[in-house]
Amino acid sequence: AQTVTQSQPEMSVQEAETVTLSCTYDTSESDYYLFWYKQPPSRQMILVIRQEAYKQQNATENRFSVNFQKAAKSFSLKISDSQLGDAAMYFCACSMDSNYQLIWGAGTKLIIKP
Amino acid sequence: KAGVTQTPRYLIKTRGQQVTLSCSPISGHRSVSWYQQTPGQGLQFLFEYFSETQRNKGNFPGRFSGRQFSNSRSEMNVSTLELGDSALYLCASSWGLARGEQFFGPGTRLTVL
Repeated sequence: AQTVTQSQPEMSVQEAETVTLSCTYDTSESDYYLFWYKQPPSRQMILVIRQEAYKQQNATENRFSVNFQKAAKSFSLKISDSQLGDAAMYFCACSMDSNYQLIWGAGTKLIIKP
Repeated sequence: KAGVTQTPRYLIKTRGQQVTLSCSPISGHRSVSWYQQTPGQGLQFLFEYFSETQRNKGNFPGRFSGRQFSNSRSEMNVSTLELGDSALYLCASSWGLARGEQFFGPGTRLTVL
């Protein structure tokens, strides 16, 4: 079965510090896409960052970067210089089958301590 | 460009009733996906429509159905509501099939009493 696992239900970090959220996935496909989405409290889900599996270079978006380890099937998100506005649920998702249906992790609640 | 809109935002129904939720995607987007989000089960995929055709379907009972119109607006219907159907229902749109970025609406909060 194709699965996405986020093993950290909750993480906390001091403002301005760096935090890493973990995500592992299981697939036999060679062509797939990986995503991190952010859902702030009572606000809409938005895409944070995206990684194509065929690309070896890790994706980066400003303070957000990923560590994509294809052999280990790991896709972690690093948030640098954490800000209060980063507080949210973070979901890892993978589009991995021939229909490109998104499979979602359970989410990690990120708390930013001022 | 207007974002994804969902109506209604909040809904209270009783067991056995049926409900229809609506989603208007971003202009030009042809794909609409529906998700059920609950604290216990997380985000569960319901179905995806592309150009009025259901392309993918999640593992939900037949009480959950949907459709897409020629203007890409989509509706989902839940018949014979059960208490366990209480959830936040999210709609997401994208230009193509959902292998790219999806843009989410604010959701419809359904409470079944």
